[in-house]
Parts: sequence; structure tokens; C-alpha cells
Amino acid sequence: DAGITQSPRHKVTETGTPVTLRCHQTENHRYMYWYRQDPGHGLRLIHYSYGVKDTDKGEVSDGYSVSRSKTEDFLLTLESATSSQTSVYFCAISGKDNQPQHFGDGTRLSIL
Amino acid sequence: AQRVTQPEKLLSVFKGAPVELKCNYSYSGSPELFWYVQYSRQRLQLLLRHISRESIKGFTADLNKGETSFHLKKPFAQEEDSAMYYCALRPYTDKLIFGTGTRLQVFP
Repeated sequence: DAGITQSPRHKVTETGTPVTLRCHQTENHRYMYWYRQDPGHGLRLIHYSYGVKDTDKGEVSDGYSVSRSKTEDFLLTLESATSSQTSVYFCAISGKDNQPQHFGDGTRLSIL
Repeated sequence: AQRVTQPEKLLSVFKGAPVELKCNYSYSGSPELFWYVQYSRQRLQLLLRHISRESIKGFTADLNKGETSFHLKKPFAQEEDSAMYYCALRPYTDKLIFGTGTRLQVFP
């Protein structure tokens, strides 16, 4: 398995609170991604990064921000969590342009 | 618009029966397609990639550009194949577009 660690693995929080999810990789891969997985929607891209301090929006970026200050870490922040952001969040990484993406174990986030 | 369609939310078969999970895509360029599998509450794992043309765990998938399809097939299903299967399209080098997934249930 690719060296990808997501933390926390589970989190329950209240509406309006800030939440930060962390993705850590040991593969020195250039590309990192954040997806959310919801029934009936599959996986949808939130944000991605193609290098340190280089990030871009995905399909469902509203309400989320990201930061990548080091190659190995990609942080996803919900500035003010809403119940619609209850989901399972997956991080993925890939190296060179033509390599497939490999996924982390996911973070189950519940916002009450 | 680029899109991946998996028309079946659930596919149920008995052990030993053939399986075909459907995937259709819309993309005007030359596509790169993948199948990922997710066993219960685990991470997504790459199952197949069309350019490699290999068989993994008995599964195969052929890209049909005329029908814009990339169906996943296995001649004899096993109980351990029960999982969620996602088809994905990579239109650019750095992004994936996923279908909504098909849950495969294999009964003994």
C-alpha cells in the first residue's frame, strides 16, 4: 500500500466549528487530492495540489480550503462546518503525470 | 462535458455466475480509464487500468471507443468479490472523474 495516512479517522463536531483534516504521505509524490464520498454521488473532487503551495479547486470546493506547505502534508479545512459536509473524506496521491492515484483510508466526519 | 455513468447502483449474483459491471463515459479526446474497488469501509484500491490490459483477480475490462464503454467483467463471481466498484475517467493528467459506483453482492 502507498504510504498515505489520514488523520483523524473519525470526527464528530458541531455546526459552525472549524475542522481540519490532514493527509500525510511518505512517497514524495507531487500530486495530492481531497475527495468526498457520498451515496449516490460517488467520489467528487474538492481540491487538489500539484506541488508545494500550488493548489486548485475541484468540482465541490465551496466551503473548503486547503494548504500545502510541505510536499508530504495536504490539509483540508472546513472554516465553519455545516451538516451538508457530513461525509467520508478521502485523500489520494500520484507521482508522475501518467501514474494512477492511490488512496488513503478515509476520514468519517459527522457534523451535528 | 466529461462524465462517467454507472447505470446500476446494485448488482446481485450468485457465486459462480458471470458478472458485468457497466461503465459508459463521455469525453471527446483520447480517454484513460480505471476501475477502482472498495471493500467494506476500506480504502479505494486500483483494480484495473485500461492501458495495462491485464487481468486482476480474474477481472478484465476492454475499452470500446465506438460505444464509449469500459465494462468490467468476470466469468465466475466469488463471494469475496462483494464490494463497491467505481469506474473513473482521467481526461487530463492530473484529475479523475468518478462514476457513482455499483455495489456488487455475490451470494453463496
